[in-house]
Amino acid sequence: GENVEQHPSTLSVQEGDSAVIKCTYSDSASNYFPWYKQELGKGPQLIIDIRSNVGEKKDQRIAVTLNKTAKHFSLHITETQPEDSAVYFCAASNPQGAQKLVFGQGTRLTINP
Amino acid sequence: EAGVVQSPRYKIIEKKQPVAFWCNPISGHNTLYWYLQNLGQGPELLIRYENEEAVDDSQLPKDRFSAERLKGVDSTLKIQPAELGDSAVYLCASSLGVSPYNEQFFGPGTRLTVL
Repeated sequence: GENVEQHPSTLSVQEGDSAVIKCTYSDSASNYFPWYKQELGKGPQLIIDIRSNVGEKKDQRIAVTLNKTAKHFSLHITETQPEDSAVYFCAASNPQGAQKLVFGQGTRLTINP
Repeated sequence: EAGVVQSPRYKIIEKKQPVAFWCNPISGHNTLYWYLQNLGQGPELLIRYENEEAVDDSQLPKDRFSAERLKGVDSTLKIQPAELGDSAVYLCASSLGVSPYNEQFFGPGTRLTVL
């Protein structure tokens, strides 16, 4: 089955700087890659997703890139703000297969003012 | 619009006791998921329902865990008997339709502590 590895486990950046979180996956048939943000005491919330027919997707300060050949994808947050502090999870899914999201281990992002 | 509702938010029980978690999905969402989230880990799928049918329960430990979704709306997840290793957050999520590309909306979870 699918296995998703996420790095780093913790990341601390200065406010205004950029943050990058990386994930690799094992199932070459996976073609849907969402990113979730989880704040303390809350459930994960989808912030951006990408399908395998595109290599990059942007939404304001957030962007995701996908390299299907290398089987890795990354989340980029620019101009970080204190409210970006949270735990971020990547996930992968094969909609034609098991159809379930397999999550990475999470990255705790801290934005220092 | 109300989000996914879960109760209780916190539960502390002694080992070997039974426990039940309740989930009310977003109105109109016919796909419902139960996830297990251990401390410092990502969610892991336990069971997925499409309406009242459990279509993926391969990760549900059936010797002690059970779930039901009567009438295809609310759902209950039960553990009997609970073990120390069951301490975790149990998340419920729902999505509209059966497409795997549909966004999953998560509830706040129930934090279970087994003593």
